[in-house]
Amino acid sequence: KNEVEQSPQNLTAQEGEFITINCSYSVGISALHWLQQHPGGGIVSLFMLSSGKKKHGRLIATINIQEKHSSLHITASHPRDSAVYICAVVVGTETSGSRLTFGEGTQLTVNP
Amino acid sequence: GAGVSQTPSNKVTEKGKYVELRCDPISGHTALYWYRQSLGQGPEFLIYFQGTGAADDSGLPNDRFFAVRPEGSVSTLKIQRTERGDSAVYLCASSQKPVLPNTGELFFGEGSRLTVL
Repeated sequence: KNEVEQSPQNLTAQEGEFITINCSYSVGISALHWLQQHPGGGIVSLFMLSSGKKKHGRLIATINIQEKHSSLHITASHPRDSAVYICAVVVGTETSGSRLTFGEGTQLTVNP
Repeated sequence: GAGVSQTPSNKVTEKGKYVELRCDPISGHTALYWYRQSLGQGPEFLIYFQGTGAADDSGLPNDRFFAVRPEGSVSTLKIQRTERGDSAVYLCASSQKPVLPNTGELFFGEGSRLTVL
């Protein structure tokens, strides 16, 4: 069992739909990242969360530390949102080292 | 440039050869990470540098892999006696501080795609 699991693995939506991608993790973490990866490999950090909820434009990310679960929501989805969305958790401390453990990603395709 | 720069962007080599991949982080970023991403998978941690020292190298798969960061800026990932299974995209990321809550944001390079024939 992976330490970080995402669902669904693949998601196809119509433009305008509300999208939710889920992430569950089994290890103790300091924080959680949601990342976006476009074809060609470039990765962009969308959010870093340690509690609660963050919003940026049409993107909303929530985390429940007790339940070890996070969700990424996209409102009014658009074809340009098509990408792989990756959940990554921060494991470690400043003194012992710090690294990300990644989920396998969710391939999102938004059709016009 | 302002972002994390990785070179080469693509490298094709033959099994058994030696390969070096370079990462030039954002100026002033003390934390540097190497990750490896195989096709269809999420990235896997390889090594983390804080300054010049490797604070965590537990992700290096075996002793054919080695990384250095002699001056605390540019890092080189070195792979000896390459094998076909080493084929992957090697990603570098940097941060002003270790990636902890409420500290530096993480910035990724475009990656170096290594193909071992």
